Amino acid sequence: DTGVSQDPRHKITKRGQNVTFRCDPISEHNRLYWYRQTLGQGPEFLTYFQNEAQLEKSRLLSDRFSAERPKGSFSTLEIQRTEQGDSAMYLCASSLRAYEQYFGPGTRLTVT
Amino acid sequence: KNQVEQSPQSLIILEGKNCTLQCNYTVSPFSNLRWYKQDTGRGPVSLTIMTFSENTKSNGRYTATLDADTKQSSLHITASQLSDSASYICVVSDTNGGGNNRKLIWGLGTSLAVNP
Repeated sequence: DTGVSQDPRHKITKRGQNVTFRCDPISEHNRLYWYRQTLGQGPEFLTYFQNEAQLEKSRLLSDRFSAERPKGSFSTLEIQRTEQGDSAMYLCASSLRAYEQYFGPGTRLTVT
Repeated sequence: KNQVEQSPQSLIILEGKNCTLQCNYTVSPFSNLRWYKQDTGRGPVSLTIMTFSENTKSNGRYTATLDADTKQSSLHITASQLSDSASYICVVSDTNGGGNNRKLIWGLGTSLAVNP
């Protein structure tokens, strides 16, 4: 499978715990995006990398959220001190051109 | 205000029938419009991407149209199959490059159910 992969697919955590998600983009794609999607809503942009550089961060990305792409390949999204409002689907997408994004299957986070 | 509105909100059709989903947008300037299919609990999958100069694009049984003058797009599904049951989302961008995705405006989608 040469598509975007995300791990884990589901995560249940208790409020206050830290969680980390991983995204492996399509191998030749230099652009990587993180989105958050809640039920019945479209994805909300969180952050964007071009190679290893984080070029764009949404105001939605509070100081509890941090994303990295250390070698310009896979990326991680960490949420510290999770809150119930963080429960959502976290989507990763990658692209070679700016407007052709390929999405991964997402990580469903439930904070109890 | 930049907005993307989709109709209907939900739709139920019988297998084998055709259907058309609508998307109206007020995004300006306009760069491109995309239709995505999203299965429940999965990430969106791109169906079509159209720029200003394109007015129709097909992908198998999916045909998208774009009227940039009236700022309307439609997605026509031919000979529907049970696997077409999903949410169909219209996304409009006013940014042509640089990967700046805060300028993507997502519709809320049309939930399509195809029944046997």
